Amino acid sequence: EIVMTQSPATLSVSPGERATLSCRASQSVSSNLAWSQQKPGQAPRLLIYGASTRATGIPARFSGSGSGTEFTLTISSLQSEDFAVYYCHQYDNWPPVITFGQGTRLEIK
Amino acid sequence: LLQESGPGLVKPSETLSLTCTVSGASISSADYWGWIRQPPGKGLEWIGSIFHTGSTHYNPSLKTKSRVSISVDTSKNQFSLRLTSVTATDTAVYYCARGLAGFDYWGQGTLVTVSS
Repeated sequence: EIVMTQSPATLSVSPGERATLSCRASQSVSSNLAWSQQKPGQAPRLLIYGASTRATGIPARFSGSGSGTEFTLTISSLQSEDFAVYYCHQYDNWPPVITFGQGTRLEIK
Repeated sequence: LLQESGPGLVKPSETLSLTCTVSGASISSADYWGWIRQPPGKGLEWIGSIFHTGSTHYNPSLKTKSRVSISVDTSKNQFSLRLTSVTATDTAVYYCARGLAGFDYWGQGTLVTVSS
């Protein structure tokens, strides 16, 4: 099983600043990685797939990068609605065995 | 839109059964449909996914003990989850979702509590 490790567990950032979240895979997943955002009491929302492709309707301030085992989600200028928990997950295997990271909580500083 | 339905309370050792009804899209489209769960206060866990043809893929941690099965009913535009021999550790919010390379549509989730 591919283990996904996200860091940090909690990130405190001020509105308007940049946030950088990391996700590491225990083995290469190529670019088969997605990022989702989850707010309290809500279902997750897909932000990024294919490591760097924004999902439909996702603002340009969200960007993804990386390949292989190291990935980054960057939020260029934090808005109040961006404070949430962010999860990465990989879908590299075939047959698929999808694994999620443990999440990064982005909180207001 | 996706909507989960099923009992909110299941007794230990019994079977958890949930259905996801898909509206606004055909389940027979070229895509996967899946189940993901989230224990209270914890992270997300993929349970498994199904293609409209019935081809399934499961999380090995659940498949090993043959506890999980996912089925599809294209005539009703629904897919279903069945999890046998539940314990308290199966208490979670269960989500249905579309996709595999990123889940782009999710249901609102339904809390299933395992308790006697």
